[in-house]
Amino acid sequence: SQTIHQWPATLVQPVGSPLSLECTVEGTSNPNLYWYRQAAGRGLQLLFYSVGIGQISSEVPQNLSASRPQDRQFILSSKKLLLSDSGFYLCAWRTANRGGSYGYTFGSGTRLTVV
Amino acid sequence: GEDVEQSLFLSVREGDSSVINCTYTDSSSTYLYWYKQEPGAGLQLLTYIFSNMDMKQDQRLTVLLNKKDKHLSLRIADTQTGDSAIYFCAEWEGGSYIPTFGRGTSLIVHP
Repeated sequence: SQTIHQWPATLVQPVGSPLSLECTVEGTSNPNLYWYRQAAGRGLQLLFYSVGIGQISSEVPQNLSASRPQDRQFILSSKKLLLSDSGFYLCAWRTANRGGSYGYTFGSGTRLTVV
Repeated sequence: GEDVEQSLFLSVREGDSSVINCTYTDSSSTYLYWYKQEPGAGLQLLTYIFSNMDMKQDQRLTVLLNKKDKHLSLRIADTQTGDSAIYFCAEWEGGSYIPTFGRGTSLIVHP
């Protein structure tokens, strides 16, 4: 069965420090992978998505970057965190075939607080 | 661009039915989804409906789709305190990699 792992669950980082959040998917190949941020207002903001190794699409210009070094690994990074980077970060994957009945599968999220 | 709208809050009494509504703008939507998010957790896919369907029922959940009015609803029968969560509506157009999510409806269930 397919599973998605996201870590860490919570993170407190000082302003100006680097960030690395990791997401891995098991039990599938060539997934589409996504990073979302959910601020206190609850809406989901799509940050990055990837349809293959090394292929990253950025939806919002910001202080963050993403990489996909392996088929089932998606990493969210920052060189220098800002206070405004605080939020709940969610990784998600979906099957690459065009059938939509599976929707997204989300990870359990990382609560990032920048202090 | 595409847009998905939901009311922000819904309060119901335990045992009553809850109806969460959603409107969308993309007439080429292929699938429409309902996700549930419990506090501090990721989103969980509850159910989906294909655009050529009017209704889908799954135990206590009933999804109604009015494609003409671009209106989607989720009815939860016999609502329980464990149903308290944020419910997200989302639509996906088959040619896109990215579904469009609403901002979520907070369902509060009172004992």
